[in-house]
Amino acid sequence: DIQMTQSPSSLSASVGDRVTITCRASQSISSYLNWYQQKPGKAPKLLIYAASSLQSGVPSRFSGSGSGTDFTLTISSLQPEDFATYYCQQSYSTPVFTFGPGTKVDIK
Amino acid sequence: QVQLVQSGAEVKKPGASVKVSCKASGYTFTSYDINWVRQATGQGLEWMGWMNPNSGNTGYAQKFQGRVTMTRNTSISTAYMELSSLRSEDTAVYYCARQNYYDSSGYSALLDYWGQGTLVTVSS
Repeated sequence: DIQMTQSPSSLSASVGDRVTITCRASQSISSYLNWYQQKPGKAPKLLIYAASSLQSGVPSRFSGSGSGTDFTLTISSLQPEDFATYYCQQSYSTPVFTFGPGTKVDIK
Repeated sequence: QVQLVQSGAEVKKPGASVKVSCKASGYTFTSYDINWVRQATGQGLEWMGWMNPNSGNTGYAQKFQGRVTMTRNTSISTAYMELSSLRSEDTAVYYCARQNYYDSSGYSALLDYWGQGTLVTVSS
């Protein structure tokens, strides 16, 4: 089974900060990596697919990169509405999915 | 617009079963697989399995094999997830999500629409 890890598990940042979250797969997954954002009490929302493609309607301050085993999600200038938990998810082993453990971004 | 609307919160005793529904609208129900994902309080997302609403074919995470059953009623565009032999560790919010693809590779799956979640509490 493909295992996913994320770092850090949580971070504190200020509005306007550049934030980077890392996701690592236990084996190469090419670019079959998606990112989701989840706010408290809400369902996850797809942000980025195929490692770097922005889902329709997602602000351009979000970006993704990477391939193989190492991936990053970057928020170029953190906004108040971006405080949330972010999950990576691999689809290389479709139909079996694996999520990363999540990274919580909160206010410094 | 695409919507997945789930059934309401449930409270169950240990050893019982729960069946959560997920009603789809705004698209052709049989054209997209439905996945189920759960989240215990304060914890991360845990993938449970998938169902093809057209064929009824299913696939379950190994952890839930033998305890979970995913079914559908195409006449009312509704998917169901039933979990049996409930224990306290099954207390969680259960989500259904529509699976889509961004290319034809077969690996390019993503979960583009999600239900609002159903809280299942297992307590004696």
